[in-house]
Amino acid sequence: AQSVAQPEDQVNVAEGNPLTVKCTYSVSGNPYLFWYVQYPNRGLQFLLKYITGDNLVKGSYGFEAEFNKSQTSFHLKKPSALVSDSALYFCAVRRPLRKGNMLTFGGGTRLMVKP
Amino acid sequence: GAGVSQSPSNKVTEKGKDVELRCDPISGHTALYWYRQSLGQGLEFLIYFQGNSAPDKSGLPSDRFSAERTGGSVSTLTIQRTQQEDSAVYLCASSPPGQSYEQYFGPGTRLTVT
Repeated sequence: AQSVAQPEDQVNVAEGNPLTVKCTYSVSGNPYLFWYVQYPNRGLQFLLKYITGDNLVKGSYGFEAEFNKSQTSFHLKKPSALVSDSALYFCAVRRPLRKGNMLTFGGGTRLMVKP
Repeated sequence: GAGVSQSPSNKVTEKGKDVELRCDPISGHTALYWYRQSLGQGLEFLIYFQGNSAPDKSGLPSDRFSAERTGGSVSTLTIQRTQQEDSAVYLCASSPPGQSYEQYFGPGTRLTVT
């Protein structure tokens, strides 16, 4: 069965510093990986995806993620954090071997960016 | 354009009552998903609709849960005989045709069972 792990419940970073939110996965076959962000009282917003191709994927709001097959990781990164980046971040993997793009989500990581 | 909308935004119900949650997907989106977000279980998939095909119900936690999608657009998630463990935020998402793989989520319905 596929799974996604986000080992950190919370990440704290100072504004202007680089940030990393970690994600590891376990899935049969080639993984389709995603990052979503959730702001308070709002639904999830798509940030970026890895399907195939370059291991470094660029997404919305200056975020990027690096797919590492040997480490089965898909960490989210941003060179310079903003206070407005504070939110809940979810890593997800598409369920393989089924029609549709149902997602299995990690437990989420709360990012706190302090001024 | 308009995003995915869900109603009601909040619903408080008594244990044992039935509830209906509504989702209006983005116009033209053929795929529709329901997820549940709860403190204990995190974000979990419930059910998937694609066009006129039979839905994938593999994520529904019990036979008290059902969903339908009328005319390939609006969807209703029904929970019968609600239990306290059903308390959660129910999220709906839709996707356009093709292989974009991106899902567009609504703001959710917060269900509280007392």
